[in-house]
Amino acid sequence: EAQVTQNPRYLITVTGKKLTVTCSQNMNHEYMSWYRQDPGLGLRQIYYSMNVEVTDKGDVPEGYKVSRKEKRNFPLILESPSPNQTSLYFCASSLEFGPSEQYFGPGTRLTVT
Amino acid sequence: RKEVEQDPGPFNVPEGATVAFNCTYSNSASQSFFWYRQDCRKEPKLLMSVYSSGNEDGRFTAQLNRASQYISLLIRDSKLSDSATYLCAVRASYNTDKLIFGTGTRLQVFP
Repeated sequence: EAQVTQNPRYLITVTGKKLTVTCSQNMNHEYMSWYRQDPGLGLRQIYYSMNVEVTDKGDVPEGYKVSRKEKRNFPLILESPSPNQTSLYFCASSLEFGPSEQYFGPGTRLTVT
Repeated sequence: RKEVEQDPGPFNVPEGATVAFNCTYSNSASQSFFWYRQDCRKEPKLLMSVYSSGNEDGRFTAQLNRASQYISLLIRDSKLSDSATYLCAVRASYNTDKLIFGTGTRLQVFP
């Protein structure tokens, strides 16, 4: 089954404790992206990657890191989480860089206390 | 002004009703337009792309008005299962895959 998976789905952590949210897709998609969704602000792009070893900042990259060492994986790293990073996070992938459909993962609900 | 704006709703409509949502965008150079559906606390899923000439998929019709810079989604014969949040998304240009999402319009269909 074609899908985007994320782990963990739910996470409660404390300020400053490094964490990684994994994202994997099995569709051989080149383009991957991370979004956060907050009430009243909608989906905002954090980082995106056009291919292996190619990443770039989205609209809200501060406090986040990403890497793309393999085509299928695109982990999101929070080196020192803060309460303002409490949010619902979605990973997404698409076949190509252009007007193609983005497939979203199921989401990771992160709470930073 | 936000790049992409939607009325948050909620739109409360009875089964069988026709309902329409609009989404305005600020960048006149925007190239691609989409409607996504998002159920509560779940991931967005593509409902339909919006083409310049307008397009229809069953009970759903999407239209683009470039002159006034908005897209619309019309749902005919609403079903209970149509209850969800509908997000519009706009891609600024052909050389970026960045999608800018609206905050969504919530639809609640009641019996």
